[in-house]
Amino acid sequence: GAGVSQSPRYKVAKRGQDVALRCDPISGHVSLFWYQQALGQGPEFLTYFQNEAQLDKSGLPSDRFFAERPEGSVSTLKIQRTQQEDSAVYLCASSFEGLRGYTFGSGTRLTVV
Amino acid sequence: QQQVKQSPQSLIVQKGGISIINCAYENTAFDYFPWYQQFPGKGPALLIAIRPDVSEKKEGRFTISFNKSAKQFSLHIMDSQPGDSATYFCAAPHSGNTPLVFGKGTRLSVIA
Repeated sequence: GAGVSQSPRYKVAKRGQDVALRCDPISGHVSLFWYQQALGQGPEFLTYFQNEAQLDKSGLPSDRFFAERPEGSVSTLKIQRTQQEDSAVYLCASSFEGLRGYTFGSGTRLTVV
Repeated sequence: QQQVKQSPQSLIVQKGGISIINCAYENTAFDYFPWYQQFPGKGPALLIAIRPDVSEKKEGRFTISFNKSAKQFSLHIMDSQPGDSATYFCAAPHSGNTPLVFGKGTRLSVIA
């Protein structure tokens, strides 16, 4: 596709529910990043893939957060047993030139009630 | 520990004026300094970026000025327009060859 596509755009989850957020990167982009953006804040790094390898997951806030990219293209961010503090916009970005030149998707707004 | 410190938090500029946003970084190993623009409901979009071997880069109305000795870089928007009203983020690598760390953002409002 022409850009990074994220789905769903909006997700409302009851506390304790599991959610899965999908990211379709730009075709040919080998690097894929997940960021979390709280209201009125800058994006906070969660995790990073190069092809199917997860090279950095230091930003994942707890073991309830899990990301995968099994075939080196589409990625899924999974949050288990959601909590209210997980409410945020989850942004996916991809890059052709390694760690620079990110293109972001429009994000998934997660609201935990 | 915050890696990039951005200021001001918000900015109001008259149409046609110059908008200036500043960013201070800590790690001298950083080698790439981008600015991103974000509109409500959208993801951040790369606006302009600079590497530390140059002191200034200009693209249209947007200019990055880089001061290596002060470990600061700034975004200047000339002839600011209402359509420039958005949130702007500076970013830098966490350390060397690592994913970007973003500043907290500057909300710019350009009023007619």
